[in-house]
Amino acid sequence: DAGVTQSPTHLIKTRGQQVTLRCSPKSGHDTVSWYQQALGQGPQFIFQYYEEEERQRGNFPDRFSGHQFPNYSSELNVNALLLGDSALYLCASSLDRGLSDTQYFGPGTRLTVL
Amino acid sequence: AQKVTQAQTEISVVEKEDVTLDCVYETRDTTYYLFWYKQPPSGELVFLIRRNSFDEQNEISGRYSWNFQKSTSSFNFTITASQVVDSAVYFCALSEGRNQGGKLIFGQGTELSVKP
Repeated sequence: DAGVTQSPTHLIKTRGQQVTLRCSPKSGHDTVSWYQQALGQGPQFIFQYYEEEERQRGNFPDRFSGHQFPNYSSELNVNALLLGDSALYLCASSLDRGLSDTQYFGPGTRLTVL
Repeated sequence: AQKVTQAQTEISVVEKEDVTLDCVYETRDTTYYLFWYKQPPSGELVFLIRRNSFDEQNEISGRYSWNFQKSTSSFNFTITASQVVDSAVYFCALSEGRNQGGKLIFGQGTELSVKP
């Protein structure tokens, strides 16, 4: 039973560039959430996708956008990268049952913006 | 507003000692969920436990135990007879039941170091 997978593992970009991160949910899961974790901090919720639509959004600017595909996989896009976007980006998947279901996390993508 | 506070930034113990990680939360909801996750150096968050606000029964799983007290808004985590492999950052998180799917609100984390 495959867990949550993310790609790439590491990424280095320069300011102003755009980046796309990818996530495949755990088998049987239909909901994907994205979190940003700065060094030494707890993860911060970016947004959640369910049925190919953004269902919830945290306090992040419009530079952060996402997409969910029919197979439930998801992408996180960040435009006009800033130095402050350097962080570990975590994807979590869950099965929507109308509750706060347990979210299972992937290994993350470490983004460095120079 | 929802908030999770983990006042202990770092804890260092010697192997076989017991250690308790504190978690205090704030929420206005009567229905909510609490979680603990472990983050080893590899970075992946590993799910440990999920409790709902209506179940205050304490839980034990091997060397791990959790004490949930609504009266003090606390959800503390105890590791008995700690081992070096327990070294990691531990996060407490809150999710409110009224938000379907429920975004997680994390504390700042407690870095546990278990020395041999």
